[in-house]
Amino acid sequence: DQQVKQNSPSLSVQEGRISILNCDYTNSMFDYFLWYKKYPAEGPTFLISISSIKDKNEDGRFTVFLNKSAKHLSLHIVPSQPGDSAVYFCAASVQTGANNLFFGTGTRLTVIP
Amino acid sequence: DVKVTQSSRYLVKRTGEKVFLECVQDMDHENMFWYRQDPGLGLRLIYFSYDVKMKEKGDIPEGYSVSREKKERFSLILESASTNQTSMYLCASSIGGGAPYEQYFGPGTRLTVT
Repeated sequence: DQQVKQNSPSLSVQEGRISILNCDYTNSMFDYFLWYKKYPAEGPTFLISISSIKDKNEDGRFTVFLNKSAKHLSLHIVPSQPGDSAVYFCAASVQTGANNLFFGTGTRLTVIP
Repeated sequence: DVKVTQSSRYLVKRTGEKVFLECVQDMDHENMFWYRQDPGLGLRLIYFSYDVKMKEKGDIPEGYSVSREKKERFSLILESASTNQTSMYLCASSIGGGAPYEQYFGPGTRLTVT
């Protein structure tokens, strides 16, 4: 049973505009969330994370928002650049657990020049 | 920079063969993981290890085994490869401890079983 869900398999955005990628989770024990980016033929690379004690974390053009009551997080990329075109995975974990990450199914972002 | 390397980028094996996938990390990380990535299913955890000679089953361990004899090396073994094990296999490592520090991934091995 998928505990982390990304319901949009793909997203296309014009260069310079905002990209919003969404992620929902079902397990209320999750308290740490991460976003990874994956280019073809490469392994995923860590992008940004957020602990459940926060509702927002920002790093340059990337901001992650967490809505615990809705069990929802989103990744905002502003402004979007063609180099951001990749598959984005969200992941969730329990901080006192066994270091396992539960991944979503991924969203393929295409930024159109 | 953390580096996680995997022994092969592409591998083609026949049904019934025993397959070894090797992973090595160079940052003295305690934890190591094996995932498979399939379209529409994301990354699914096969096995992980939080110490030498220790292993834990992930979500889909059936048909796989692992070995961790040295801290830097984590091997995934397909005892008798089957066509439904055709997939992208990703190895990852992370610092040990109680917090889910970010995992660092290798480039992946695309395995085809014919």
